[in-house]
Amino acid sequence: DVKVTQSSRYLVKRTGEKVFLECVQDMDHENMFWYRQDPGLGLRLIYFSYDVKMKEKGDIPEGYSVSREKKERFSLILESASTNQTSMYLCASKVWDEQYFGPGTRLTVT
Amino acid sequence: EDQVTQSPEALRLQEGESSSLNCSYTVSGLRGLFWYRQDPGKGPEFLFTLYSAGEEKEKERLKATLTKKESFLHITAPKPEDSATYLCAVQARGGSYIPTFGRGTSLIVHP
Repeated sequence: DVKVTQSSRYLVKRTGEKVFLECVQDMDHENMFWYRQDPGLGLRLIYFSYDVKMKEKGDIPEGYSVSREKKERFSLILESASTNQTSMYLCASKVWDEQYFGPGTRLTVT
Repeated sequence: EDQVTQSPEALRLQEGESSSLNCSYTVSGLRGLFWYRQDPGKGPEFLFTLYSAGEEKEKERLKATLTKKESFLHITAPKPEDSATYLCAVQARGGSYIPTFGRGTSLIVHP
């Protein structure tokens, strides 16, 4: 079974803090993704990576950055957290056509 | 631009009452159409991939079908544990391998 894990299920941070969300997959997948999911807006792609040290912007990259130093790990960084970044964050990895998601991190920025 | 529209947005069924969820799509050459199930507060769980019109896939009470313009997720004799949000996504042939997601159908099955 493919396993995608995320470092935290719930996180509460203050405005202006730097926030790190970690994602690890155990299936040697090349492609990894970060989404945020908000009610009424569905899944929106923040960043994706198709190889180590390679990254591409998705639909809503502003206010975020990513890091992929190892194949199995893809990190999402909120440089200076703001209240409008309160959301559910989902990491996914992909092989061929099937995308596998982690359990999600519910981030609240106060 | 690839587009995915799911309907209805929400569906309430009685246990045992069969129904279908719809996923309409426009894509410049379909590589694959995907169905996911998402429980509240959790990540989406992969269900099916369909590649060509006429293809069908089944899993327990779920059956997914595909035409050139839409896909249906048929739920036969649903149980309360089938309550979830069902997401549809498409991926175009060639170029980007990033799927385009619909906004989902929230299904509630009452006992």
